[in-house]
Amino acid sequence: DTEVTQTPKHLVMGMTNKKSLKCEQHMGHRAMYWYKQKAKKPPELMFVYSYEKLSINESVPSRFSPECPNSSLLNLHLHALQPEDSALYLCASSHPLAAAYGYTFGSGTRLTVV
Amino acid sequence: GQQLNQSPQSMFIQEGEDVSMNCTSSSIFNTWLWYKQDPGEGPVLLIALYKAGELTSNGRLTAQFGITRKDSFLNISASIPSDVGIYFCAGLQGAQKLVFGQGTRLTINP
Repeated sequence: DTEVTQTPKHLVMGMTNKKSLKCEQHMGHRAMYWYKQKAKKPPELMFVYSYEKLSINESVPSRFSPECPNSSLLNLHLHALQPEDSALYLCASSHPLAAAYGYTFGSGTRLTVV
Repeated sequence: GQQLNQSPQSMFIQEGEDVSMNCTSSSIFNTWLWYKQDPGEGPVLLIALYKAGELTSNGRLTAQFGITRKDSFLNISASIPSDVGIYFCAGLQGAQKLVFGQGTRLTINP
């Protein structure tokens, strides 16, 4: 079982909807990440939170809005998405200064925008 | 940005055969990671490499960190059906960002 839990596992939303993806970890990690993975492509980094503060934004469009309410939770708020935003969204966590020693991914949320 | 070139893109082998895949980069990485991803799941860490020249094993898996720190390979010995999936190399850029290769899709014929 993965130690990073993502909900929901699947999500279908219209282009005018507002939805949120949720991620939770209890490994004591203080860095949390959102990655986007298109079909048959590798994951690509979107956002990094270190000690609950946004530290990296990889020029992601504002229709994606991350939030880190506490050290265990990471949300990704979605609004006015486009069909090309359909993808697998992966959450990960690690020690903020020693990511190499424990970079763990969740199972992902499969998002379909219609 | 940095890119990793992973090869081969796909492999079709018989059960019991050994497998080899590799990644190269134009830039130096201080950490290389190898992940396996099953359909509908997130990547699962197989092996982490921290030192140039390091050779590390995890069961039937062996991976090496190249001396130049610009390449790595992963070998799987005596493949079994559950080895099917997509294998990714990844380099750690800075303290936190993973840069992934394009993946190697492994298919095993029984």
